[in-house]
Amino acid sequence: KAGVTQTPRYLIKTRGQQVTLSCSPISGHRSVSWYQQTPGQGLQFLFEYFSETQRNKGNFPGRFSGRQFSNSRSEMNVSTLELGDSALYLCASSTTQTGLPHNEQFFGPGTRLTVL
Amino acid sequence: SQQGEEDPQALSIQEGENATMNCSYKTSINNLQWYRQNSGRGLVHLILIRSNEREKHSGRLRVTLDTSKKSSSLLITASRAADTASYFCATDSGGGADGLTFGKGTHLIIQP
Repeated sequence: KAGVTQTPRYLIKTRGQQVTLSCSPISGHRSVSWYQQTPGQGLQFLFEYFSETQRNKGNFPGRFSGRQFSNSRSEMNVSTLELGDSALYLCASSTTQTGLPHNEQFFGPGTRLTVL
Repeated sequence: SQQGEEDPQALSIQEGENATMNCSYKTSINNLQWYRQNSGRGLVHLILIRSNEREKHSGRLRVTLDTSKKSSSLLITASRAADTASYFCATDSGGGADGLTFGKGTHLIIQP
């Protein structure tokens, strides 16, 4: 099976702009999670989707949003970018079912976002 | 917020030696997972241990879990240069309603 893919791999934006990142999960995986990784804060949970429904959301401002499509592909959007949004954004898919503990997560290579 | 805290933050050992990393967490968990990350790339799952398990093995990896102390350890035996990476523990709690909560990781360097 093909692994989790994320596009684009690298992105440079300026403050105030918005950005959309894309994630294609492993075939058959219906759960997709997003994480932000920075040197200062480490890995932080953004949100998780299962069958097009947001299952949970981390402690991030409303500028961060996401969605999941019927084919389980997911996108996340960050509006009004700030310098502090520069980070590696990681997507992970799994076979985790709603309401059950998280199984092994399969991570994509990430999108490195730089905000100037 | 960080749930897991790895210790040490960095570890440098000679190839062939064993490496031990520890993880402490704060709340009750469903399971605890260990991941490896090479140079800011995606994470790779290593092992998952459930809250009712005490020890688990996978190849050169051995994980222990002590829920009374809210701690876990990852042992890598007979280390290789390719084991150089950052290692993270991640906890699943909250009845499966929250995402995984990661620690800040241990950076392991294997000297050839």
